[in-house]
Amino acid sequence: AQSVTQPDIHITVSEGASLELRCNYSYGATPYLFWYVQSPGQGLQLLLKYFSGDTLVQGIKGFEAEFKRSQSSFNLRKPSVHWSDAAEYFCAVGASYGGSQGNLIFGKGTKLSVKP
Amino acid sequence: GAGVSQTPSNKVTEKGKYVELRCDPISGHTALYWYRQSLGQGPEFLIYFQGTGAADDSGLPNDRFFAVRPEGSVSTLKIQRTERGDSAVYLCASSPTPGEKLFFGSGTQLSVL
Repeated sequence: AQSVTQPDIHITVSEGASLELRCNYSYGATPYLFWYVQSPGQGLQLLLKYFSGDTLVQGIKGFEAEFKRSQSSFNLRKPSVHWSDAAEYFCAVGASYGGSQGNLIFGKGTKLSVKP
Repeated sequence: GAGVSQTPSNKVTEKGKYVELRCDPISGHTALYWYRQSLGQGPEFLIYFQGTGAADDSGLPNDRFFAVRPEGSVSTLKIQRTERGDSAVYLCASSPTPGEKLFFGSGTQLSVL
């Protein structure tokens, strides 16, 4: 079955520290991979996406993610966290072709807290 | 408008009632999506439109749920005979092409008492 697993429900990091949020997926076809961020009272915003090509993708707000096919992972990283990064982060996987392209499967999310 | 607009932002109803949730996508976006997000969960796919037609409605939980997009722009999600388990945030998103970057609205918080 297709699924996305985000093993960490809640992570707390100090401001200025590095961050890695984990994401593992199970998908039968070649996937599209996404990271979205959801701040309180705001809609989900796309941070970055992987469709093909270079397995290290750069996103907005200084985030990056690396696609590792052998590990079925797409972990999100940031070298130095800012207090404004506190939010909930969702990994998602979708079909790369066909009629189900709009059907994204989301993980349950990782809530990030940032200590001053 | 500048972004995806959803109305109402909050809807409280009684068990058994009928509700309609509206989504106004970004102008020119042909693809429109409905998701549902329960507390502590990630968004769950409901239905996706390409133009006026539903390209994938595999996520609709049962026949009490129905969505339309008659002119290929605004969409309405309709829920009949609401149940307490329908309480969630209903999210709408649009994109210029299917599967590409989704632009989400702020959602409608539905509470069924």
